[in-house]
Amino acid sequence: GQNIDQPTEMTATEGAIVQINCTYQTSGFNGLFWYQQHAGEAPTFLSYNVLDGLEEKGRFSSFLSRSKGYSYLLLKELQMKDSASYLCAVRDGDYKLSFGAGTTVTVRA
Amino acid sequence: DAGITQSPRHKVTETGTPVTLRCHQTENHRYMYWYRQDPGHGLRLIHYSYGVKDTDKGEVSDGYSVSRSKTEDFLLTLESATSSQTSVYFCAITGGGENYEQYFGPGTRLTVT
Repeated sequence: GQNIDQPTEMTATEGAIVQINCTYQTSGFNGLFWYQQHAGEAPTFLSYNVLDGLEEKGRFSSFLSRSKGYSYLLLKELQMKDSASYLCAVRDGDYKLSFGAGTTVTVRA
Repeated sequence: DAGITQSPRHKVTETGTPVTLRCHQTENHRYMYWYRQDPGHGLRLIHYSYGVKDTDKGEVSDGYSVSRSKTEDFLLTLESATSSQTSVYFCAITGGGENYEQYFGPGTRLTVT
């Protein structure tokens, strides 16, 4: 089975940094994805990690440690528009994804 | 924009009635997926397809069937809708990006009364 855990909610102030952790125990591993989902909308792809280390994309960075079954998404210079749910997903051996329940981030002024 | 549309976008139906949701893509992608999203559960895979007439079950397939007679269309059918199937349904495709990431349609909000 697949077990993917992430915190339910996080709150941060505009301009600050927030780190969303994701731990996983899955039967296979072929990459980890982060998606952003605004309320009432579809998820949109943010980042992908398949090797250990940090991937940076502008204000967003994602880290992976395969030996620890751990990833995090780092959001820097938070803006109000970053208020959304962030979904961690693991791809197994083929093209299927298993998702965590999502972390709702609220950015306060 | 991955060229994915879903219809209908909203539907209210009664318990016991059949319901079919349609997912349409314009870019000839091989893999297509149906998910449901419920509070506290995230996205859960219902069924997926890896080609015309090639489908397989996901983790929450009971009460659902699918069909794919053309590359561009993937249909999800609830043979006899129940209140537990009230949910938001998302279709997705594995796009042509270098990471084979999935792209999602806009979703269908289904309410079974």
